[in-house]
Amino acid sequence: NAGVTQTPKFQVLKTGQSMTLQCAQDMNHEYMSWYRQDPGMGLRLIHYSVGAGITDQGEVPNGYNVSRSTTEDFPLRLLSAAPSQTSVYFCASSYPGQLFFEAFFGQGTRLTVV
Amino acid sequence: GEDVEQSLFLSVREGDSSVINCTYTDSSSTYLYWYKQEPGAGLQLLTYIFSNMDMKQDQRLTVLLNKKDKHLSLRIADTQTGDSAIYFCAESIKRGSYIPTFGRGTSLIVHP
Repeated sequence: NAGVTQTPKFQVLKTGQSMTLQCAQDMNHEYMSWYRQDPGMGLRLIHYSVGAGITDQGEVPNGYNVSRSTTEDFPLRLLSAAPSQTSVYFCASSYPGQLFFEAFFGQGTRLTVV
Repeated sequence: GEDVEQSLFLSVREGDSSVINCTYTDSSSTYLYWYKQEPGAGLQLLTYIFSNMDMKQDQRLTVLLNKKDKHLSLRIADTQTGDSAIYFCAESIKRGSYIPTFGRGTSLIVHP
């Protein structure tokens, strides 16, 4: 099984450019989420989805959009990239079994905005 | 996440025990987790504890939970160089979902 697949692995953008980070999972998980990881800041939740057609904001949603048209895919869009969005981005998926919540993570996308 | 606090670094000698500490603020936390991140990789669930437990042991790993003080710890016995990684504490509570909230991560460095 592929698990959670993120593309691309690395990306350099110029300030003001837009792009979409792709995330796909093949585990039929209902929940998907996007985090950014910055040194000393840990993981911060950007957006999440509890099922197809349902999305909600996390801790740091500004500058990012998401949509969830299928169970498998959860793309993250940067509308106008800024240097503050330089980070490592992780997508995760989970199947909520009762209250236990194991998240499966992709390998990450390292984004640099210059 | 501001709701989960961890120290940022821990350095130990190979063969010693490592203890990584975490404090959380939400008393309604149901599950508490430890995730491990190896260099260049995503996070993987290492172990977890349900909030009505005090301790959980899994081979070299021991998780202790003090609900009164909202304190969680992860002890790694006989630490090996392969244990060098970032360890994240996380809590899972209902805020519209059970999406985990992660701490800042503790970077464990194991010296030969």
